[in-house]
Amino acid sequence: AQKVTQAQTEISVVEKEDVTLDCVYETRDTTYYLFWYKQPPSGELVFLIRRNSFDEQNEISGRYSWNFQKSTSSFNFTITASQVVDSAVYFCALLKLGTSYGKLTFGQGTILTVHP
Amino acid sequence: ETGVTQSPTHLIKTRGQQVTLRCSSQSGHNTVSWYQQALGQGPQFIFQYYREEENGRGNFPPRFSGLQFPNYSSELNVNALELDDSALYLCASSHSLAGRETQYFGPGTRLLVL
Repeated sequence: AQKVTQAQTEISVVEKEDVTLDCVYETRDTTYYLFWYKQPPSGELVFLIRRNSFDEQNEISGRYSWNFQKSTSSFNFTITASQVVDSAVYFCALLKLGTSYGKLTFGQGTILTVHP
Repeated sequence: ETGVTQSPTHLIKTRGQQVTLRCSSQSGHNTVSWYQQALGQGPQFIFQYYREEENGRGNFPPRFSGLQFPNYSSELNVNALELDDSALYLCASSHSLAGRETQYFGPGTRLLVL
């Protein structure tokens, strides 16, 4: 069985602070994808990034960066110089490869509030 | 904007009724997945449709059923509504089977069962 744990239920920061959202996953599979999605108050899940299990290279995209460590089964997400518009619920998700269908397993989400 | 649309945006039903939710996939996408998101929780996979056939299902009872049409749009039907069915229902479309491609989500339908 697969499981995704986001231990931080809520994080509150002041604008311009850096913030890291933690994600730990469990799977017996050797090949899989990991995702981060953002859910603003409107409800739509917005895709941020996808990483496959073969590639542990960290990635930076503007103010966002991701740290994937297979040895610790973690896929953490950092926002540098946070802004009020970053306020949302952030979900980490796992997708198993090799099956006939694509089922995303989500964590419980982390509510990020950025204060001005 | 992902190009995935859902209707209606909000819905109120009473226990025991039936409901139909609709989803139009992003252009070029042939796979549609449905998720249920209870308040304060992460989305839970209901099922996935590919070329008008259900090809994967999560841990949901048979009263949750669906359809996919030749234009790849989809419906989610829930019979005999229960109070616990109150949730945000999200539809996601992707380019191919087995989910190797990223799933892009619509804005969701908020269902309240009284």
